[in-house]
Amino acid sequence: NAGVTQTPKFQVLKTGQSMTLQCAQDMNHNSMYWYRQDPGMGLRLIYYSASEGTTDKGEVPNGYNVSRLNKREFSLRLESAAPSQTSVYFCASITGGSGANVLTFGAGSRLTVL
Amino acid sequence: AQSVTQLGSHVSVSEGALVLLRCNYSSSVPPYLFWYVQYPNQGLQLLLKYTSAATLVKGINGFEAEFKKSETSFHLTKPSAHMSDAAEYFCAVSDRGTDKLIFGTGTRLQVFP
Repeated sequence: NAGVTQTPKFQVLKTGQSMTLQCAQDMNHNSMYWYRQDPGMGLRLIYYSASEGTTDKGEVPNGYNVSRLNKREFSLRLESAAPSQTSVYFCASITGGSGANVLTFGAGSRLTVL
Repeated sequence: AQSVTQLGSHVSVSEGALVLLRCNYSSSVPPYLFWYVQYPNQGLQLLLKYTSAATLVKGINGFEAEFKKSETSFHLTKPSAHMSDAAEYFCAVSDRGTDKLIFGTGTRLQVFP
């Protein structure tokens, strides 16, 4: 099925470990996003990529890095995980350009940092 | 910076009652506005969106929202709640010409029999 695929769905890390969340979309969308969801705080934008080869910081970029590997893939890396990064992470994509287009979300990746 | 405020983190209604979820935006220029729904353990999916074609927007599952510029509001309503409407609802905003979507903090809707 067409859509946004995130891996892994669940991950437990120890403080200081690193990991990469993978995201791929097969809808030929230009823009891709990473959000984190925390209770009472809604979804907060971490990083986004308006097109292949470009990335920009969102509201909460500290402690994260991203790579727009190609048009399909947009990965999120935690270099040294901290308990404050325990969250559910969502990748999303959009055709892009006008602001009126609709985001397509992945199913989420639940990360726990001990 | 663009933002949205959702009043009420939790709303409880009886099955068959009116659903009203509130959203206010901050912008001097009418933005694009969206309502998304998240069912347990799932990603978000679009309920409806406002892009200036009409102030009353109808979405899926009987939901609708009215854009009121004078009140900077975009409240979500449904005349009669169903048990299957229990979920978390997010209001979101983007500026015209950008795809940077900013979400509110969400409202969890509970529906009691």
